[in-house]
Amino acid sequence: DAGVTQSPTHLIKTRGQQVTLRCSPISGHKSVSWYQQVLGQGPQFIFQYYEKEERGRGNFPDRFSARQFPNYSSELNVNALLLGDSALYLCASSLAPGQPQPQHFGDGTRLSIL
Amino acid sequence: ELKVEQNPLFLSMQEGKNYTIYCNYSTTSDRLYWYRQDPGKSLESLFVLLSNGAVKQEGRLMASLDTKARLSTLHITAAVHDLSATYFCAVDQNTGNQFYFGTGTSLTVIP
Repeated sequence: DAGVTQSPTHLIKTRGQQVTLRCSPISGHKSVSWYQQVLGQGPQFIFQYYEKEERGRGNFPDRFSARQFPNYSSELNVNALLLGDSALYLCASSLAPGQPQPQHFGDGTRLSIL
Repeated sequence: ELKVEQNPLFLSMQEGKNYTIYCNYSTTSDRLYWYRQDPGKSLESLFVLLSNGAVKQEGRLMASLDTKARLSTLHITAAVHDLSATYFCAVDQNTGNQFYFGTGTSLTVIP
């Protein structure tokens, strides 16, 4: 079975641009979460979606938004990119929120802002 | 906001030695996870600890959870080079899969 897949793997943007990152969860998983991992730090929670609804939001500005589609895939959008947005963006999936279980992570999208 | 701290941040140890990584967190939770990350790679789930006193072991790694002390440990026994990686603990604030990660411990095992 395929794991969590993310696209693209790498992306280079300039300040002020907008970017969309994509994630497909493991088959049967209905919850998708997004994390930002800055070099040398642990991942930071951005969003969680379940059944197309936002279930949680971390401490990120409104420039960050996300959505989940009927097939449970998800997109993360970041507007007005800043140099500090350079990071590895990780998508994780799980069966459903509320059940104690590990999240399964994709390989991430490495975003570089010039 | 839930804070998760790990120590040490960096650990260099010789093959065959034992060591412990500590993970402290700031608010009540009985859901703690350990992950491994190799350079340039994603996160691999190692252990799931779901109750006070929980202990899990896999090979040379053993994880435990003390929810009263808000402390988890990852013990390494007789380290080998293949264990070199960054290890993260993550706490779920009982809201369901909104993980708060520690700062990570970068482990290097020296022959």
